Order: sequence, then C-alpha cells, then structure tokens
Amino acid sequence: AQKVTQAQTEISVVEKEDVTLDCVYETRDTTYYLFWYKQPPSGELVFLIRRNSFDEQNEISGRYSWNFQKSTSSFNFTITASQVVDSAVYFCALTPTPGGSGGGADGLTFGKGTHLIIQP
Amino acid sequence: EAQVTQNPRYLITVTGKKLTVTCSQNMNHEYMSWYRQDPGLGLRQIYYSMNVEVTDKGDVPEGYKVSRKEKRNFPLILESPSPNQTSLYFCASSSRQGIQETQYFGPGTRLLVL
Repeated sequence: AQKVTQAQTEISVVEKEDVTLDCVYETRDTTYYLFWYKQPPSGELVFLIRRNSFDEQNEISGRYSWNFQKSTSSFNFTITASQVVDSAVYFCALTPTPGGSGGGADGLTFGKGTHLIIQP
Repeated sequence: EAQVTQNPRYLITVTGKKLTVTCSQNMNHEYMSWYRQDPGLGLRQIYYSMNVEVTDKGDVPEGYKVSRKEKRNFPLILESPSPNQTSLYFCASSSRQGIQETQYFGPGTRLLVL
C-alpha cells in the first residue's frame, strides 16, 4: 500500500521568510509520480508540479522549488520570500504509473496536508 | 477551456434522502475518480473509473455508488446519505494514454447531511 506523510500539520511564518514543506512517501512501485497541490481558502485544488520517479532533478519555478530525493523517499517543497497569497493548505500526493507493480487503486494517495500561514 | 465541472457546488440534505452529485469533463479523459476531503484526513479516494462501464472501489467506498455510462460523465450517488458523509467532494479526471497524466480536479461540492 502507498502512503504519503506530511508531518507538519501547520506552519506559520512572517512574510518574506523562506519556508519548506516536507513530504515523505512509501510505495512498492518502482515507477511512480509525485505531485504537489495547493488548496487556497476558496477551496479549489491547484496543481503545482508533477515529478516522475525517474527524474531526480530539482526544479525551480519562480519562488517555488522542489527537492526530490529518491534515496530518502522525500519530495520537499520550498517557497522563497513567502507572500501572504501563499497562505493555503498544501498537499503532497503519489500515484503509480500505469502497469505499476504496487497494486491498489490507480488514484492519487494524498498526504493529510500542511496548512501554511503567511503573516504580514 | 479544459475543465471538470461538478454540480451542485453546495448541498444541504437530510439523512436518507437520495442524492446525486454530477461530474463532467470535456477533455476526453479515460480515467475519472471521486475523492472526499475531511479535516485532518486529507483527500481519500471513493471510487474510480478506468473507462466507460469500468468502475472500481477506492479506499472509502461504503455508502456510495457510481456509474460510467458515458466517457464524459461520472456521477456520485448517495442512496441513503448519513451525517458521516458530510464532507467536501472532488471529482477528478486524467488521460490514461501513455504516461500517467496530471489529474484535473473539479471545483468541489460541499455536502452537509443533517
């Protein structure tokens, strides 16, 4: 069975600080995809990034960066120079690739989310 | 515009009164699924469908039914809703062609069962 752990239930920082959201996962699949989604107070789920398990390159998109380390089964998300608009719940999620050997439903397995509060 | 739509967005009902939440996507996606989101539990998969007439249980299917008669639609049916089904529900779709594609989520349906 797959599992995604986001140990940080809530993080509060002051605007302009850097903040890292942790994500640790467990899977028996040898190939899989990892995702981060943002859920602002309005409630919709906003896709941020998808990472293939074959690709361990870190990725940067503006103030957002992601550190994927297969050796430690982690896929951490860093926001640099945080802004109030970054306040949201952030979810890390995992899914096997089609035909993956881990079995189970083919949907996303989500972590419980990290509530990020950016104070002005 | 590529999108997943859900209706209704908000629903208040009473225990035992059958209801259906509709989900429709315009991207010709094969894969569709339903999730529920509860405080402290994240999102959990209820049912999913790999294609027309192919559905299967997710992690929390009890009390729910689905059908996939057309590729674009994947309604969620609560035959006899109970208060523990009060939740935020999301429908999602993705392509199953080749590599696993990103799942697109609908806007969510907030359900309150009294």
